[in-house]
Amino acid sequence: DAGVIQSPRHEVTEMGQEVTLRCKPISGHNSLFWYRQTMMRGLELLIYFNNNVPIDDSGMPEDRFSAKMPNASFSTLKIQPSEPRDSAVYFCASSLLPDDSGNTIYFGEGSWLTVV
Amino acid sequence: DAKTTQPPSMDCAEGRAANLPCNHSTISGNEYVYWYRQIHSQGPQYIIHGLKNNETNEMASLIITEDRKSSTLILPHATLRDTAVYYCIVRGNAGNNRKLIWGLGTSLAVNP
Repeated sequence: DAGVIQSPRHEVTEMGQEVTLRCKPISGHNSLFWYRQTMMRGLELLIYFNNNVPIDDSGMPEDRFSAKMPNASFSTLKIQPSEPRDSAVYFCASSLLPDDSGNTIYFGEGSWLTVV
Repeated sequence: DAKTTQPPSMDCAEGRAANLPCNHSTISGNEYVYWYRQIHSQGPQYIIHGLKNNETNEMASLIITEDRKSSTLILPHATLRDTAVYYCIVRGNAGNNRKLIWGLGTSLAVNP
């Protein structure tokens, strides 16, 4: 299996520009998670989807952030307009739920975003 | 907030066992204990998880105390490639309890 695939791996953009991060979950997984990691705050859950439906977006920092999952094999996280404080590593992860046996969550390699 | 506490850092000699402790005194009956690790510049990697019983796989062993309030991850023969931040997480299997809430982890340095 190819694992969770994220793109771009690295992006540098100017403040005010729109940023779109992409994720392809593991085939057959029905849950998808977006995380953000910074030195100050560690790993934070932004939003997660189950069967393409957003279940919990309480971690989305503000209206500048939006996430979509149009189908089971693709999701986007969009920041518009971007700000320097959005600089972070953004991880996508997927899992197979429900998971009465405690199924694991698998992470992508992350998208490194720098907003200047 | 994270439901676990871990020491911020540990050292281990290469070839020796690394024992990483984790406290989760507020764990509830349906919550699993998960361990992940993150090697620099990579995504978190699943290691092992358990509910009540001790678990072992090709990467590590997980020892959970009988009261389930703490656990220990054991890397039996640590190598330099095991240098990483290790996260202990408790996670339920229903609703919002499915989320992984991450603490700061333990930064393990394996020394030659």
